[in-house]
Amino acid sequence: QQPVQSPQAVILREGEDAVINCSSSKALYSVHWYRQKHGEAPVFLMILLKGGEQKGHEKISASFNEKKQQSSLYLTASQLSYSGTYFCGTEKAQGAQKLVFGQGTRLTINP
Amino acid sequence: NAGVMQNPRHLVRRRGQEARLRCSPMKGHSHVYWYRQLPEEGLKFMVYLQKENIIDESGMPKERFSAEFPKEGPSILRIQQVVRGDSAAYFCASSPSIRASDTQYFGPGTRLTVL
Repeated sequence: QQPVQSPQAVILREGEDAVINCSSSKALYSVHWYRQKHGEAPVFLMILLKGGEQKGHEKISASFNEKKQQSSLYLTASQLSYSGTYFCGTEKAQGAQKLVFGQGTRLTINP
Repeated sequence: NAGVMQNPRHLVRRRGQEARLRCSPMKGHSHVYWYRQLPEEGLKFMVYLQKENIIDESGMPKERFSAEFPKEGPSILRIQQVVRGDSAAYFCASSPSIRASDTQYFGPGTRLTVL
């Protein structure tokens, strides 16, 4: 079942923060975050595994709460290059490797 | 180390023709996944293959669509007798293993347009 992302779209000014959520109705083993710019391939950001870990990548970090079956992506002090559509891909069992993606969150950063 | 390669990048077909999409995984990767993306939508899983084996084809339509990953050469996604609804971007991804810590790296995609 497809995870639900919220919000569907967000518009920020450069330097502002954003949070993107990814919720599933089923138990998850891992959550994969990608960013896709228009007309391009999705680019991997990070993976979070079962265990409630947090990860960071420059000014982008994420958390995974397997009890709530939810992951959140945090973008701080956003840059123009952060614009794009963010997708979470969920994996319900170790080794399943079939990622089920959310519908995406479109992020627009204005100067 | 070259990334995932897909060709062609753009493919135009008339209704009823066949479309062949190719994917060469990253060096050292033996797991290939195909996804379809309709405009303004997310990525939908189609099929997961390892060399010479289809592992999971639960997302692939039963008719007209087939996929292979031969011992030598790229993975091929084949769509027979294309219809307008097949117009989409088709992305291939590869990973070195099925460990949860291994991510899938995506190719640039093939944009199929059916006239």
